[in-house]
Amino acid sequence: GAVVSQHPSWVICKSGTSVKIECRSLDFQATTMFWYRQFPKQSLMLMATSNEGSKATYEQGVEKDKFLINHASLTLSTLTVTSAHPEDSSFYICSATRGDSNSPLHFGNGTRLTVT
Amino acid sequence: KQEVTQIPAALSVPEGENLVLNCSFTDSAIYNLQWFRQDPGKGLTSLLLIQSSQREQTSGRLNASLDKSSGRSTLYIAASQPGDSATYLCAVSKNFNKFYFGSGTKLNVKP
Repeated sequence: GAVVSQHPSWVICKSGTSVKIECRSLDFQATTMFWYRQFPKQSLMLMATSNEGSKATYEQGVEKDKFLINHASLTLSTLTVTSAHPEDSSFYICSATRGDSNSPLHFGNGTRLTVT
Repeated sequence: KQEVTQIPAALSVPEGENLVLNCSFTDSAIYNLQWFRQDPGKGLTSLLLIQSSQREQTSGRLNASLDKSSGRSTLYIAASQPGDSATYLCAVSKNFNKFYFGSGTKLNVKP
């Protein structure tokens, strides 16, 4: 089945530094990738939608200058948390789809970010 | 705006029982509905995808049904096992760029 690889699986960084998370679709071309944030015991909160070759569409309340998303190819999207603060600590998950009604949404295994 | 509700929020059953998880959505104009499972600290694993034109999908011990007109879907798990313990989420898609998730049902299957 389709595989989405997310890296790193966990990262600890100091306040003020930037962290990049990668999301790769390994065996299909992902026209659309999504980035979510998940708080403990809560469901997924969509942060942004990215289509290959175009600017990401951010959900209301998500700072686009803080959460930089790049979708430069059909198999790779990156999320960079800039100038991270402790309140950015969370579980970040990406997902990808080919972009048609027959295609399931496939998820990465998530990245646990801890900002100290 | 599409709202997706999952009931119950948590469910505990003894091993071997058949069980049903419920998902309801407010806007019936959907392209598809997908069921996922999430293990603690992990991403989501796709279980079943139902197209808007379909009424059900089956995979092993899992059966998902869709009634678009009433805005409901159910996930039926037969002969539950401890390994089925996880959080189950449903998501509906109105277009290929928007997926709406329920808050999930946390299932615990006791040995």
